[in-house]
Amino acid sequence: EDQVTQSPEALRLQEGESSSLNCSYTVSGLRGLFWYRQDPGKGPEFLFTLYSAGEEKEKERLKATLTKKESFLHITAPKPEDSATYLCGGKGSNYKLTFGKGTLLTVNP
Amino acid sequence: NAGVMQNPRHLVRRRGQEARLRCSPMKGHSHVYWYRQLPEEGLKFMVYLQKENIIDESGMPKERFSAEFPKEGPSILRIQQVVRGDSAAYFCASGGQEYEKLFFGSGTQLSVL
Repeated sequence: EDQVTQSPEALRLQEGESSSLNCSYTVSGLRGLFWYRQDPGKGPEFLFTLYSAGEEKEKERLKATLTKKESFLHITAPKPEDSATYLCGGKGSNYKLTFGKGTLLTVNP
Repeated sequence: NAGVMQNPRHLVRRRGQEARLRCSPMKGHSHVYWYRQLPEEGLKFMVYLQKENIIDESGMPKERFSAEFPKEGPSILRIQQVVRGDSAAYFCASGGQEYEKLFFGSGTQLSVL
């Protein structure tokens, strides 16, 4: 069975303090590793898809990377508006997208 | 191009009643996924459907829950004889191809009294 584990469960940062979120996965026949952002009371919002080890993608202060076992979401100089829950999901050969429990990020001004 | 539309946004049911949750995918999308989310938990996969077909329902409880995605109209997640443990946020997502990203709706918050 596919598994995705995210750490830490919660992370508090000061504005401008860079850090990384981890996503470990065991997904049979990985077809894509997905990162989403979710704000309270809303549906997840797509951030990135990574398809192969070594791939990197960037968007504003966020950068996602992928190895054969893990993905990292690097946040550079975060701002309070980056506060949200970040979800990682792996889509396997059966095209089922399995998510981790998420990392709740709080950025204090 | 409208996004994924879910309704109702909030649904209150008494124990034993039926709940019907509707999801209209983005235009041109033929793949629909349903997820359930409890507070401080991630998204739990329930079912993956394509038009008129259930592809994977491994996350659906064996009893009381069913899903469909007819040729015409929205996808429906149906919960019969609801119990308090069914209270949760239910999210629908749609995609154009199997390997592509999914777009999520705003969810339906089901409360069972």
